[in-house]
Amino acid sequence: GQSLEQPSEVTAVEGAIVQINCTYQTSGFYGLSWYQQHDGGAPTFLSYNALDGLEETGRFSSFLSRSDSYGYLLLQELQMKDSASYFCAVNTGGFKTIFGAGTRLFVKA
Amino acid sequence: NAGVMQNPRHLVRRRGQEARLRCSPMKGHSHVYWYRQLPEEGLKFMVYLQKENIIDESGMPKERFSAEFPKEGPSILRIQQVVRGDSAAYFCASSPNTRGQDEQFFGPGTRLTVL
Repeated sequence: GQSLEQPSEVTAVEGAIVQINCTYQTSGFYGLSWYQQHDGGAPTFLSYNALDGLEETGRFSSFLSRSDSYGYLLLQELQMKDSASYFCAVNTGGFKTIFGAGTRLFVKA
Repeated sequence: NAGVMQNPRHLVRRRGQEARLRCSPMKGHSHVYWYRQLPEEGLKFMVYLQKENIIDESGMPKERFSAEFPKEGPSILRIQQVVRGDSAAYFCASSPNTRGQDEQFFGPGTRLTVL
């Protein structure tokens, strides 16, 4: 079977750094993506890693280790507006993408 | 450049009726995906289509569900004889032709409620 594991919930305070982990077990792997979704909203793309290493985009960074089937999303200088659900997703080949169940991030003042 | 458009945004149907969900991809995108999301859950892949072709429908229930992406017009997800378990948010996403770009652009979703 194919599975992506990520924590269901994470809580952090404003200004802090938080890391959301994702481990995957899939039949194919082309890359790992991260999406953000606010309540009642549509998922929006944050990052994509096809190769090992760290990708940085402003306050958000994403890391991938293909040998460990593992990646994480790092959010720095947390803001209240970062409270949302975060999904990791694996492109298993071609254009098919499998999503994890999501991590709900609560940012407290 | 308009984003992915879905309509209706909210749809209420009684058990046994049909639901038709429409999706217009971003301009220049010929790849369309449909996902279902239950409350507090992740996105479940349903089907991937290109113009006039169903490429992968491995996530679609075998009965009552069908999808199409005609040469002209929006992609349609059709659910016949809806049941209460079909109540969910249905998201459409599109991506550009270029292989290797993994970003999918999501529409606002259609929230289906079956009474």
